[in-house]
Amino acid sequence: EAGVAQSPRYKIIEKRQSVAFWCNPISGHATLYWYQQILGQGPKLLIQFQNNGVVDDSQLPKDRFSAERLKGVDSTLKIQPAKLEDSAVYLCASSLTSEQETQYFGPGTRLLVL
Amino acid sequence: SQQGEEDPQALSIQEGENATMNCSYKTSINNLQWYRQNSGRGLVHLILIRSNEREKHSGRLRVTLDTSKKSSSLLITASRAADTASYFCATNSGGSNYKLTFGKGTLLTVNP
Repeated sequence: EAGVAQSPRYKIIEKRQSVAFWCNPISGHATLYWYQQILGQGPKLLIQFQNNGVVDDSQLPKDRFSAERLKGVDSTLKIQPAKLEDSAVYLCASSLTSEQETQYFGPGTRLLVL
Repeated sequence: SQQGEEDPQALSIQEGENATMNCSYKTSINNLQWYRQNSGRGLVHLILIRSNEREKHSGRLRVTLDTSKKSSSLLITASRAADTASYFCATNSGGSNYKLTFGKGTLLTVNP
């Protein structure tokens, strides 16, 4: 069974530029999560999708971050414009349903904002 | 905000020794999970313990949960160099979205 795929693995941009990350969850998983992990900290949930609907985006900085999962499969997270404090690893995870308690994580995208 | 707080922040042991990591949390939970993260990689689910359970085993892993103290511990027995990683506890408080809230993690180094 293929795992959660993410791309790119690494990205370096300058502040005020835009960046987008892509995630393809495990086939058949209805729930998709985007986390932000700042160095030395645990992952923080940014947004949770159930199929193509948003379940929780309470910690998403909506003035600069946006995410979509239009067909209920893969998802894109965008930052526009980026700030220095956005430097982090962005992790995508999926689970079969929102009630399934185990989440499966992708390798992450490491973002450096200069 | 982070719900769980792991202790210690870093732990260095020799191969073959046991490693114990602790997690404290603040609010009532539905379950508590432990994840491992190798350097530069995503997180891997290790074990889940429900609020009505006190102890759970999986291979060389033993997890305990004390809901009265709002704390959990993860014991790795007979550690190996390959166990070197960061370990995170994550709490699930139930509700409509079963959201996980992660602690800051314990960095475990197992020296060969």
